[in-house]
Amino acid sequence: DAGVIQSPRHEVTEMGQEVTLRCKPISGHDYLFWYRQTMMRGLELLIYFNNNVPIDDSGMPEDRFSAKMPNASFSTLKIQPSEPRDSAVYFCASSNRDRQETQYFGPGTRLLVL
Amino acid sequence: RKEVEQDPGPFNVPEGATVAFNCTYSNSASQSFFWYRQDCRKEPKLLMSVYSSGNEDGRFTAQLNRASQYISLLIRDSKLSDSATYLCVVHREYGNKLVFGAGTILRVKS
Repeated sequence: DAGVIQSPRHEVTEMGQEVTLRCKPISGHDYLFWYRQTMMRGLELLIYFNNNVPIDDSGMPEDRFSAKMPNASFSTLKIQPSEPRDSAVYFCASSNRDRQETQYFGPGTRLLVL
Repeated sequence: RKEVEQDPGPFNVPEGATVAFNCTYSNSASQSFFWYRQDCRKEPKLLMSVYSSGNEDGRFTAQLNRASQYISLLIRDSKLSDSATYLCVVHREYGNKLVFGAGTILRVKS
């Protein structure tokens, strides 16, 4: 079975540009999570969905960040406009309802905003 | 104070050594506990769950002390391939969130 798929794997952009990160969770998983990892702050939960519905977005840093999950097999995290401090590795993870605490992570998107 | 605290290390140990990592958590409502492993430039992966009675998986032993809000991971007979960052993780059932520690770096050297 394929694991969590993320694209792009690497993104370099200039400040002010829009960035869209994509995620395909493991088929059959009900929960989808977006995390950000930096050296300074470690791994932080940004938002999570249950059955495509956003449940908790308290970790989203500000209005420049938005996330959607239009169907069970696809989610996006968008940053508009991007800033250098958004540079980080963004991970998507998914889990199923029976083992919610066991999350499977995608390979991540390394974002560099110049 | 961070909700999950770990010694960042690095722990530099020779092959075959026994090494232990500790972790403390502040939220007494935390229900489940885990160790995740993250290799350099890779995603975190579940290493093992941590149960109150203590549990073992091969060379790895995890223990939980709820009274002291303390979690540990012991690695016996360290291998070069054990070199990684070990993340202490707690799960809050309310809100279904995993809260990650900053990680402890382990380097096993020949």
